[in-house]
Amino acid sequence: GAGVSQSPRYKVAKRGQDVALRCDPISGHVSLFWYQQALGQGPEFLTYFQNEAQLDKSGLPSDRFFAERPEGSVSTLKIQRTQQEDSAVYLCASSLEGLLGYTFGSGTRLTVV
Amino acid sequence: DAKTTQPTSMDCAEGRAANLPCNHSTISGNEYVYWYRQIHSQGPQYIIHGLKNNETNEMASLIITEDRKSSTLILPHATLRDTAVYYCIVRGNSGGSNYKLTFGKGTLLTVNP
Repeated sequence: GAGVSQSPRYKVAKRGQDVALRCDPISGHVSLFWYQQALGQGPEFLTYFQNEAQLDKSGLPSDRFFAERPEGSVSTLKIQRTQQEDSAVYLCASSLEGLLGYTFGSGTRLTVV
Repeated sequence: DAKTTQPTSMDCAEGRAANLPCNHSTISGNEYVYWYRQIHSQGPQYIIHGLKNNETNEMASLIITEDRKSSTLILPHATLRDTAVYYCIVRGNSGGSNYKLTFGKGTLLTVNP
């Protein structure tokens, strides 16, 4: 596609519920990234994939967060047993390599109530 | 990556030049200066980057001081659609975790009619 597509655009979850956020990267982009953006803050790195391999998950805040990219294209960020502090915008980005063509999606706004 | 310092907010009149400063006094020789912006409810968008020479593209100009300790992003004729948070990011272009972008809080530029 023309850009990075994320769905859903908005998600409201009850505390304790599991959620799954989807990212469709730009076709042909090898690298995929997830970021978390709390209200009033800049985005913070969560994890990085090169094709299907998760090469860096150092930014995932807890073991409730899990990301996968099984076929090297679409990626899913899963959050188990959501907590209020998980409320944020989750941004996905993809790139050809490194910072080359680094493009962000519009994000998924998650609100945990 | 070197730390950056930006003003929290700035105002600019429509049609005038917007000059956004960034301090990066600890920048090292192989680190580039990148600028991104984030319009409300969208993901960050790449604007421009440079190493030591001034750069210009269709969106903006980047002026980097000779000692490379600071830079200025210039939007030559600001429009209402340029209202956004502008992030200055310093990072290397190769090696290590060069795929990560470390965002600060950025500068909220408000363009007024």
